[in-house]
Amino acid sequence: GQQLNQSPQSMFIQEGEDVSMNCTSSSIFNTWLWYKQDPGEGPVLLIALYKAGELTSNGRLTAQFGITRKDSFLNISASIPSDVGIYFCAGLFLAQGGSEKLVFGKGTKLTVNP
Amino acid sequence: DGGITQSPKYLFRKEGQNVTLSCEQNLNHDAMYWYRQDPGQGLRLIYYSQIVNDFQKGDIAEGYSVSREKKESFPLTVTSAQKNPTAFYLCASSIDQAGGYTDTQYFGPGTRLTVL
Repeated sequence: GQQLNQSPQSMFIQEGEDVSMNCTSSSIFNTWLWYKQDPGEGPVLLIALYKAGELTSNGRLTAQFGITRKDSFLNISASIPSDVGIYFCAGLFLAQGGSEKLVFGKGTKLTVNP
Repeated sequence: DGGITQSPKYLFRKEGQNVTLSCEQNLNHDAMYWYRQDPGQGLRLIYYSQIVNDFQKGDIAEGYSVSREKKESFPLTVTSAQKNPTAFYLCASSIDQAGGYTDTQYFGPGTRLTVL
């Protein structure tokens, strides 16, 4: 089935640095979603991307839907301590039978040192 | 406030007991989902339901059961047949558009189940 390769698995950065993470696949996706999960909480949607090539920002976050529809990246600029958490990418694809299904990457764990 | 609620936040059970996790949403979403999350893993789909009184197995349905008697509620039962039930369980919901296309999924706060 469809799989997403999310990297890096973890990142340790200093406050103020920029961060970049990405998800790649050998399969085509119709929608890319980026979520953030705080410890012990459910994931919260950060950015949704619906069209190949789309570049969308949400405050200090920017995400792009790859032109091949097989990848997406998320950038965080000028990181702050509250950016700590696990970031998940998720892709919607057309499954057999014509329904759309969602698959998740394994997450990027971000640690920000003050 | 609209949202998804899961209760309880923490749940402890003895091995061999069935346990039911609650998930309620007041977003008027058609579709609801249950995921399991283990450390270092992504989210794995257990069951999902696109409409009342209908549900489908996900990737890891063995040892779990669900019901969808009301649009707002999608409880998950972890049965004694589940070999490794200790995990963080997440419920989600989404608008289910016509033609089988789903919209963005929104998550509840999760229930951490520990089986002793």
